[in-house]
Amino acid sequence: ETGVTQTPRHLVMGMTNKKSLKCEQHLGHNAMYWYKQSAKKPLELMFVYSLEERVENNSVPSRFSPECPNSSHLFLHLHTLQPEDSALYLCASSQDTSGGTDTQYFGPGTRLTVL
Amino acid sequence: AQSVTQLDSQVPVFEEAPVELRCNYSSSVSVYLFWYVQYPNQGLQLLLKYLSGSTLVKGINGFEAEFNKSQTSFHLRKPSVHISDTAEYFCAVNDKGGSEKLVFGKGTKLTVNP
Repeated sequence: ETGVTQTPRHLVMGMTNKKSLKCEQHLGHNAMYWYKQSAKKPLELMFVYSLEERVENNSVPSRFSPECPNSSHLFLHLHTLQPEDSALYLCASSQDTSGGTDTQYFGPGTRLTVL
Repeated sequence: AQSVTQLDSQVPVFEEAPVELRCNYSSSVSVYLFWYVQYPNQGLQLLLKYLSGSTLVKGINGFEAEFNKSQTSFHLRKPSVHISDTAEYFCAVNDKGGSEKLVFGKGTKLTVNP
């Protein structure tokens, strides 16, 4: 595998379910990100991790819980979601988080539908 | 706070025609600017970025963009588009000296018709 991979690619869940999204980067990067992409809206940054430490939490509801066990893996744990949480969830990685110049490399996303 | 405005949500063009996708930003400090492309059912991919130096930046797939500080713009251009350029294009800004927190525009859907 190369680049950034995400599993599953599609997920349908009920409002009472608990599920997790997985992201893995094979680029040797130190920073990883979760974004939410909804129709007609800009990409929303949810969380940023640098060297497994969370450095950004963009006022995301607690029903979304990130986990970064090492610099190659990032999870997004989901519980008691709402229908408005249905969206494409994108994972990205970059070499570092300082400076603002690094290119972010994105995975293909997980299309989440909450019933 | 930074913001990005992509003035056109959809741009239809014919194959081999030129195209310009417009992007304006708002920031109180100097910025880095990016264009990303998202092909159907894929994640975003960097087309090009402006960090410093020449205001004309060349990217992949024949795209280029020009940074205009006085007009706070970073428009994307291609002289002759192909069917395969059909995708959604996102402009993004990051302030210099800040974190990797990119602020994205809403995107422009480019459709190239035969």
